[in-house]
Amino acid sequence: DAGVIQSPRHEVTEMGQEVTLRCKPISGHNSLFWYRQTMMRGLELLIYFNNNVPIDDSGMPEDRFSAKMPNASFSTLKIQPSEPRDSAVYFCASSPGGGAGNTIYFGEGSWLTVV
Amino acid sequence: DQQVKQNSPSLSVQEGRISILNCDYTNSMFDYFLWYKKYPAEGPTFLISISSIKDKNEDGRFTVFLNKSAKHLSLHIVPSQPGDSAVYFCAASDSGTYKYIFGTGTRLKVLA
Repeated sequence: DAGVIQSPRHEVTEMGQEVTLRCKPISGHNSLFWYRQTMMRGLELLIYFNNNVPIDDSGMPEDRFSAKMPNASFSTLKIQPSEPRDSAVYFCASSPGGGAGNTIYFGEGSWLTVV
Repeated sequence: DQQVKQNSPSLSVQEGRISILNCDYTNSMFDYFLWYKKYPAEGPTFLISISSIKDKNEDGRFTVFLNKSAKHLSLHIVPSQPGDSAVYFCAASDSGTYKYIFGTGTRLKVLA
């Protein structure tokens, strides 16, 4: 079975450029999460969707970040304009349902470097 | 405000000995807890979980203990193996929401 698929795996971009990260969740999963990993904050939840609807985006750092889920099999996280402090590993994860009893499954991450 | 805390950034243990990784949480609404293991350049992978109705869950060499009154959980690995060297994240979830909140991780190094 295919796991969570993320692209690109690595992205190097210049400050001010737009960055789009993509995610395909596991088929049949109705919850999708975007996390950012940094040394200081560990795995930080940015936003999560349930049935394609954004439920909580309180973790999104600022207006430069936006996320969409146009259908059950695709989501994007966009940063515009990007800044060096956005450099991190961004993980997408999906779950068959929310809350107790459900495991979330992570993709392999998108490594973003903004120079 | 960090709702899930892993206060030890790193831990070194001799092969064959017990590894104990700790995690504290502040939100009493959390009712499901998970541990994930992460190798470099890979995504976190699920290791073991525990519901708040239990105080212990065991899976092979891995055991998770939950102390609800102290809002504390721990992961025990016995015996530790060099392949266990990784970053371990604990996570907590509230079944009333869909959120999974992770700690900052503990890097475990098992010395051969």
